[in-house]
Amino acid sequence: DAGVTQSPTHLIKTRGQQVTLRCSPKSGHDTVSWYQQALGQGPQFIFQYYEEEERQRGNFPDRFSGHQFPNYSSELNVNALLLGDSALYLCASTSGGGSGANVLTFGAGSRLTVL
Amino acid sequence: AQKITQTQPGMFVQEKEAVTLDCTYDTSDQSYGLFWYKQPSSGEMIFLIYQGSYDEQNATEGRYSLNFQKARKSANLVISASQLGDSAMYFCAMSLYNFNKFYFGSGTKLNVKP
Repeated sequence: DAGVTQSPTHLIKTRGQQVTLRCSPKSGHDTVSWYQQALGQGPQFIFQYYEEEERQRGNFPDRFSGHQFPNYSSELNVNALLLGDSALYLCASTSGGGSGANVLTFGAGSRLTVL
Repeated sequence: AQKITQTQPGMFVQEKEAVTLDCTYDTSDQSYGLFWYKQPSSGEMIFLIYQGSYDEQNATEGRYSLNFQKARKSANLVISASQLGDSAMYFCAMSLYNFNKFYFGSGTKLNVKP
């Protein structure tokens, strides 16, 4: 049973570029959340997708956008990259639309370095 | 607003001994869940244990137990019989029942010595 898979695992971009990160949720899950984890810190909530819609958003600028596809997979897009966007981006999945204190299953993350 | 505090940036423990990782939380909500995750150097967050705010008994999962003191708003993780493979970052997190958004602490780096 495959867990949450993310791609790419590592990538390097320069300031001002755009990046797209991809996530496939665990089998049976329909809700995908994205988190940003800066070096030495805990993950911070970016947004969550359910039924192809963004349900809630954390304190991140509009440069961060996302999408969920009919097969429940998701993309995170970041435009106009800044040095401060360098981080590990974690995708997490659950089921039931994200209601309740459900356990999140995380992927191994995509490590983005902005030069 | 919700907040998780982990005051131990790093901890050392001898193999086969028990260790307690501290976590305090702040919320005005009555319905919430508390979680502990382990993050090895590979980056993946691994779920360890869950405690609901209405659970009267402390949660246990194998060598992991959660010492839940609701009045003090603390949710400490106890790892018994530490193993070398337990060396990792440990994160405490909270989620409200009305929406599955996790608030994480800053983590504790545990090193298990042989």
